[in-house]
Amino acid sequence: KQEVTQIPAALSVPEGENLVLNCSFTDSAIYNLQWFRQDPGKGLTSLLLIQSSQREQTSGRLNASLDKSSGRSTLYIAASQPGDSATYLCAVDDMRFGAGTRLTVKP
Amino acid sequence: NAGVMQNPRHLVRRRGQEARLRCSPMKGHSHVYWYRQLPEEGLKFMVYLQKENIIDESGMPKERFSAEFPKEGPSILRIQQVVRGDSAAYFCASSPGQRRGGTEAFFGQGTRLTVV
Repeated sequence: KQEVTQIPAALSVPEGENLVLNCSFTDSAIYNLQWFRQDPGKGLTSLLLIQSSQREQTSGRLNASLDKSSGRSTLYIAASQPGDSATYLCAVDDMRFGAGTRLTVKP
Repeated sequence: NAGVMQNPRHLVRRRGQEARLRCSPMKGHSHVYWYRQLPEEGLKFMVYLQKENIIDESGMPKERFSAEFPKEGPSILRIQQVVRGDSAAYFCASSPGQRRGGTEAFFGQGTRLTVV
């Protein structure tokens, strides 16, 4: 059974800092991994989808990498802004989610 | 192309009543996923459906809960004889095909169920 873990559970950084969020999965035989953000009281917004044949995907200040052999994905956020404050979640294959990382970017 | 539509956005039910939550997937999407989220907690997978088929209902409580995705119309999550513990946000997501085919999934804004 696939288990998805996200560390840290919460992260607080000053504005402008670069940061990395982690997502680990126990079964490395995945087909794809997707990163989402969730704002309080809202639904989830898709950020990046990485397919198993890819090693990374980029969108603006976001870069997601995938290392299937080690069962890990990272989401890198460059030059963080207060508007990046949200909970970030990763999901593998048939939409199994980690518990998320709650990010706070302080002005 | 409208996004995933969930209605109602807010639903209040008295204990013992039935709650029906609707999810209209994005156009062209034939796969739907339902989740429950308690306040300050993560998303808990409930059920994965393809049109007219339940693919995986391993996260669905055995009693009082059911889901369907008919050939025509939205997917429905039904909760019978609601109890206070059913109060939560219920989210659905849709994708055009199997996730193992590398398709991207999109979420609705959720239905917030309050049982009084």
